[in-house]
Amino acid sequence: AQTVTQSQPEMSVQEAETVTLSCTYDTSENNYYLFWYKQPPSRQMILVIRQEAYKQQNATENRFSVNFQKAAKSFSLKISDSQLGDTAMYFCAFMNGSSNTGKLIFGQGTTLQVKP
Amino acid sequence: SAVISQKPSRDICQRGTSLTIQCQVDSQVTMMFWYRQQPGQSLTLIATANQGSEATYESGFVIDKFPISRPNLTFSTLTVSNMSPEDSSIYLCSVTSGVRYNEQFFGPGTRLTVL
Repeated sequence: AQTVTQSQPEMSVQEAETVTLSCTYDTSENNYYLFWYKQPPSRQMILVIRQEAYKQQNATENRFSVNFQKAAKSFSLKISDSQLGDTAMYFCAFMNGSSNTGKLIFGQGTTLQVKP
Repeated sequence: SAVISQKPSRDICQRGTSLTIQCQVDSQVTMMFWYRQQPGQSLTLIATANQGSEATYESGFVIDKFPISRPNLTFSTLTVSNMSPEDSSIYLCSVTSGVRYNEQFFGPGTRLTVL
Protein backbone atom coordinates (compact mmCIF):
# COMPACT_ATOMS: atom_id res chain seq x y z
CA ALA A 1 0.00 0.00 0.00
CA GLN A 2 1.16 3.49 -0.76
CA THR A 3 1.75 6.00 2.01
CA VAL A 4 2.58 9.70 2.08
CA THR A 5 4.33 11.34 5.01
CA GLN A 6 4.71 15.01 5.81
CA SER A 7 6.86 15.32 8.89
CA GLN A 8 6.44 19.05 9.47
CA PRO A 9 3.04 19.82 11.02
CA GLU A 10 3.72 23.57 11.08
CA MET A 11 6.18 25.96 9.52
CA SER A 12 6.61 29.70 9.32
CA VAL A 13 8.54 32.00 7.01
CA GLN A 14 9.07 35.71 6.66
CA GLU A 15 7.52 37.42 3.71
CA ALA A 16 9.82 37.44 0.64
CA GLU A 17 11.94 34.58 1.96
CA THR A 18 12.13 31.00 0.74
CA VAL A 19 10.69 27.97 2.48
CA THR A 20 10.82 24.24 1.72
CA LEU A 21 8.13 21.78 2.72
CA SER A 22 9.07 18.12 2.97
CA CYS A 23 7.23 15.05 1.74
CA THR A 24 8.23 11.42 1.51
CA TYR A 25 6.24 8.56 0.07
CA ASP A 26 6.38 4.83 -0.15
CA THR A 27 5.38 2.80 -3.17
CA SER A 28 6.48 -0.19 -5.20
CA GLU A 29 5.00 1.30 -8.35
CA ASN A 30 7.10 2.81 -11.11
CA ASN A 31 4.32 4.76 -12.79
CA TYR A 32 2.84 7.41 -10.55
CA TYR A 33 2.16 11.10 -10.08
CA LEU A 34 2.87 13.43 -7.21
CA PHE A 35 1.07 16.62 -6.34
CA TRP A 36 1.13 19.52 -3.95
CA TYR A 37 -2.21 21.03 -3.02
CA LYS A 38 -2.81 24.23 -1.09
CA GLN A 39 -5.80 24.70 1.21
CA PRO A 40 -6.18 28.28 2.48
CA PRO A 41 -8.61 29.16 5.29
CA SER A 42 -11.37 29.35 2.68
CA ARG A 43 -10.89 25.52 2.54
CA GLN A 44 -10.78 25.48 -1.28
CA MET A 45 -8.23 22.88 -2.39
CA ILE A 46 -5.97 24.35 -5.06
CA LEU A 47 -3.56 22.35 -7.18
CA VAL A 48 -0.13 23.97 -6.87
CA ILE A 49 2.12 21.69 -8.86
CA ARG A 50 2.32 18.18 -10.28
CA GLN A 51 5.19 15.84 -11.14
CA GLU A 52 5.18 12.73 -13.30
CA ALA A 53 7.47 10.04 -11.89
CA TYR A 54 8.92 9.24 -15.31
CA LYS A 55 10.18 12.79 -15.75
CA GLN A 56 13.59 13.53 -14.31
CA GLN A 57 13.18 17.27 -14.63
CA ASN A 58 11.73 18.94 -11.57
CA ALA A 59 8.41 20.69 -12.12
CA THR A 60 8.21 24.47 -11.74
CA GLU A 61 5.21 26.81 -11.58
CA ASN A 62 6.23 30.43 -11.11
CA ARG A 63 7.41 30.76 -7.48
CA PHE A 64 6.75 27.10 -6.74
CA SER A 65 9.19 24.33 -7.58
CA VAL A 66 9.77 20.79 -6.46
CA ASN A 67 12.81 18.71 -5.68
CA PHE A 68 11.87 15.22 -6.84
CA GLN A 69 14.27 12.53 -5.67
CA LYS A 70 12.82 9.30 -7.03
CA ALA A 71 15.36 6.93 -5.50
CA ALA A 72 14.92 8.51 -2.09
CA LYS A 73 11.12 8.75 -2.59
CA SER A 74 11.22 12.38 -1.64
CA PHE A 75 9.13 15.20 -3.08
CA SER A 76 9.72 18.57 -1.44
CA LEU A 77 8.06 21.87 -2.35
CA LYS A 78 10.05 25.09 -2.46
CA ILE A 79 8.21 28.40 -2.29
CA SER A 80 10.32 31.36 -3.30
CA ASP A 81 9.59 34.99 -2.49
CA SER A 82 6.89 33.97 -0.01
CA GLN A 83 3.76 36.09 0.01
CA LEU A 84 1.10 36.57 2.68
CA GLY A 85 -1.36 34.83 0.38
CA ASP A 86 0.74 31.67 0.58
CA THR A 87 -0.47 31.16 4.16
CA ALA A 88 -2.36 27.88 4.00
CA MET A 89 -2.25 24.20 4.71
CA TYR A 90 -0.21 22.30 2.12
CA PHE A 91 -0.86 18.69 1.26
CA CYS A 92 1.41 16.33 -0.63
CA ALA A 93 -0.48 13.67 -2.58
CA PHE A 94 0.26 10.49 -4.53
CA MET A 95 -1.61 8.90 -7.41
CA ASN A 96 -0.90 5.45 -8.81
CA GLY A 97 -0.57 5.86 -12.58
CA SER A 98 -0.97 2.16 -13.32
CA SER A 99 -4.33 1.52 -11.69
CA ASN A 100 -6.30 4.29 -13.43
CA THR A 101 -8.51 4.64 -10.36
CA GLY A 102 -7.68 8.33 -9.99
CA LYS A 103 -7.40 7.80 -6.26
CA LEU A 104 -5.32 10.39 -4.39
CA ILE A 105 -3.50 9.50 -1.18
CA PHE A 106 -2.75 12.53 0.94
CA GLY A 107 -0.12 13.28 3.53
CA GLN A 108 -1.04 14.72 6.90
CA GLY A 109 -0.49 18.29 5.76
CA THR A 110 1.83 21.15 6.75
CA THR A 111 0.43 24.43 7.98
CA LEU A 112 2.48 27.30 6.59
CA GLN A 113 2.32 30.75 8.12
CA VAL A 114 3.86 33.63 6.15
CA LYS A 115 4.71 36.49 8.47
CA PRO A 116 4.87 40.13 7.40
CA SER B 1 -9.99 23.39 -15.14
CA ALA B 2 -13.59 22.48 -14.32
CA VAL B 3 -15.73 24.76 -12.17
CA ILE B 4 -17.25 22.78 -9.33
CA SER B 5 -19.98 23.88 -6.97
CA GLN B 6 -21.31 22.18 -3.87
CA LYS B 7 -24.55 22.64 -1.97
CA PRO B 8 -24.96 23.33 0.85
CA SER B 9 -21.73 25.12 1.73
CA ARG B 10 -22.35 24.39 5.39
CA ASP B 11 -25.01 22.92 7.62
CA ILE B 12 -25.71 22.13 11.24
CA CYS B 13 -27.71 18.96 11.76
CA GLN B 14 -29.16 16.95 14.59
CA ARG B 15 -27.89 13.47 15.31
CA GLY B 16 -29.91 10.70 13.72
CA THR B 17 -30.86 12.76 10.68
CA SER B 18 -29.48 12.59 7.13
CA LEU B 19 -28.02 15.23 4.84
CA THR B 20 -27.58 15.11 1.07
CA ILE B 21 -24.72 17.08 -0.45
CA GLN B 22 -24.79 18.00 -4.12
CA CYS B 23 -21.83 18.40 -6.45
CA GLN B 24 -22.32 20.11 -9.82
CA VAL B 25 -19.66 20.51 -12.51
CA ASP B 26 -19.84 22.94 -15.41
CA SER B 27 -18.60 20.35 -17.92
CA GLN B 28 -18.70 16.62 -18.42
CA VAL B 29 -16.00 14.87 -16.41
CA THR B 30 -14.62 11.38 -16.40
CA MET B 31 -14.40 10.63 -12.72
CA MET B 32 -15.99 12.09 -9.60
CA PHE B 33 -14.88 11.46 -6.05
CA TRP B 34 -16.03 12.21 -2.53
CA TYR B 35 -13.53 12.94 0.26
CA ARG B 36 -13.92 13.54 3.96
CA GLN B 37 -11.71 15.91 5.91
CA GLN B 38 -12.17 15.64 9.66
CA PRO B 39 -11.29 18.72 11.75
CA GLY B 40 -7.61 19.55 11.46
CA GLN B 41 -6.94 16.37 9.49
CA SER B 42 -6.02 15.34 5.99
CA LEU B 43 -8.37 14.17 3.26
CA THR B 44 -9.61 10.60 3.08
CA LEU B 45 -11.34 9.18 0.03
CA ILE B 46 -14.84 7.93 0.75
CA ALA B 47 -15.75 6.60 -2.68
CA THR B 48 -15.59 7.00 -6.42
CA ALA B 49 -18.94 7.98 -7.90
CA ASN B 50 -19.51 5.92 -11.04
CA GLN B 51 -21.91 7.15 -13.67
CA GLY B 52 -24.79 4.74 -14.12
CA SER B 53 -23.59 2.19 -11.59
CA GLU B 54 -22.94 1.74 -7.89
CA ALA B 55 -20.17 3.76 -6.31
CA THR B 56 -16.86 2.15 -5.38
CA TYR B 57 -16.25 2.53 -1.66
CA GLU B 58 -12.94 2.64 0.16
CA SER B 59 -12.20 0.51 3.17
CA GLY B 60 -14.06 1.76 6.21
CA PHE B 61 -16.90 3.37 4.26
CA VAL B 62 -20.17 1.63 3.42
CA ILE B 63 -23.07 2.36 1.14
CA ASP B 64 -25.66 2.30 3.91
CA LYS B 65 -23.90 5.13 5.68
CA PHE B 66 -22.78 7.12 2.62
CA PRO B 67 -25.09 6.42 -0.31
CA ILE B 68 -23.89 8.10 -3.50
CA SER B 69 -25.62 8.81 -6.76
CA ARG B 70 -24.23 9.92 -10.10
CA PRO B 71 -27.04 10.16 -12.64
CA ASN B 72 -24.94 11.86 -15.34
CA LEU B 73 -21.46 13.13 -16.17
CA THR B 74 -21.83 16.49 -14.41
CA PHE B 75 -23.67 15.77 -11.15
CA SER B 76 -23.32 13.64 -8.04
CA THR B 77 -24.78 13.50 -4.56
CA LEU B 78 -23.42 12.16 -1.27
CA THR B 79 -25.79 11.43 1.60
CA VAL B 80 -24.53 11.20 5.15
CA SER B 81 -27.07 8.96 6.87
CA ASN B 82 -28.06 8.59 10.51
CA MET B 83 -25.52 11.21 11.52
CA SER B 84 -23.55 11.31 14.74
CA PRO B 85 -21.15 14.00 16.02
CA GLU B 86 -18.27 11.92 14.61
CA ASP B 87 -19.56 12.74 11.13
CA SER B 88 -18.74 16.42 11.67
CA SER B 89 -16.29 17.10 8.84
CA ILE B 90 -15.74 18.90 5.60
CA TYR B 91 -16.97 16.85 2.65
CA LEU B 92 -15.32 17.58 -0.68
CA CYS B 93 -16.21 16.59 -4.18
CA SER B 94 -13.44 16.29 -6.77
CA VAL B 95 -13.29 15.53 -10.47
CA THR B 96 -10.90 14.55 -13.20
CA SER B 97 -11.41 15.31 -16.85
CA GLY B 98 -10.55 13.19 -19.84
CA VAL B 99 -7.94 15.65 -21.01
CA ARG B 100 -5.70 15.55 -17.96
CA TYR B 101 -7.12 12.59 -16.10
CA ASN B 102 -4.31 12.56 -13.55
CA GLU B 103 -5.20 15.98 -12.19
CA GLN B 104 -8.00 16.35 -9.69
CA PHE B 105 -9.89 19.55 -9.08
CA PHE B 106 -11.88 20.11 -5.94
CA GLY B 107 -15.14 21.74 -5.07
CA PRO B 108 -15.33 24.30 -2.26
CA GLY B 109 -16.45 21.70 0.27
CA THR B 110 -19.41 21.34 2.60
CA ARG B 111 -18.79 21.95 6.29
CA LEU B 112 -21.06 19.68 8.32
CA THR B 113 -21.56 20.00 12.06
CA VAL B 114 -23.61 17.36 13.85
CA LEU B 115 -24.97 18.19 17.28
